[in-house]
Amino acid sequence: QVQLQESGPGLVKPSQTLPLTCTVSGGSITSGSYYWSWIRQPAGKGLEWIGRIYTSGSTNYNPSLKSRVTISLDTSKNQFSLQLSSVTAADTAVYYCARETYSSGWFLDYWGQGTLVTVSS
Amino acid sequence: EIVLTQSPGTLSLSPGERATLSCRASQSVSSSYLAWYQQKPGQAPRLLMYGASNRATGIPDRFSGSGSGTDFTLTISRLEPEDFAVYYCQQYGSSPRTFGQGTNLEIK
Repeated sequence: QVQLQESGPGLVKPSQTLPLTCTVSGGSITSGSYYWSWIRQPAGKGLEWIGRIYTSGSTNYNPSLKSRVTISLDTSKNQFSLQLSSVTAADTAVYYCARETYSSGWFLDYWGQGTLVTVSS
Repeated sequence: EIVLTQSPGTLSLSPGERATLSCRASQSVSSSYLAWYQQKPGQAPRLLMYGASNRATGIPDRFSGSGSGTDFTLTISRLEPEDFAVYYCQQYGSSPRTFGQGTNLEIK
């Protein structure tokens, strides 16, 4: 069974870049047809889809974040990463990585446990 | 972008009762590409339903989903103590993917 685990700094200063990594175990990140996604959740609030990357490397981003987001694959480490630039306090949230699988449409079937990132000086 | 509105915001019921959760979309969700997730405090969301009415692997049959177009429903036929949680709907028919704001199912 596939497992995902987020990692990265718990505290980022305003205006800096937030870097997160998701390590995938239980299967190769390049085998099969999957999208690898990032979602975030501010404390006490709902879920926001950030973007995704396909096994080929093609990406889709939420237009609301597109100018600040980069998602990439590191196949040698079986990981994918999120970089969010020019962060503000509004980017404070729990960040989840997840897998999208296809069955008449692409939906999120496996999620990591999430990692809290706080933006503060 | 498609806006999903869930109702009610909070639902107070007792174990053994039936729960009906609603998710309404601002425009038609193509091919009923709608999923439901359950989230408990401090945990990641768990996939319950996809394609509006298909149960995910390991999900008990007391959970059922229905609907099409702009109106979708998640029904829990007989609530168990472990079912009390926050439930989110999500559409994946168009980009960006969007989530509803959640329904908090609490013990009465």
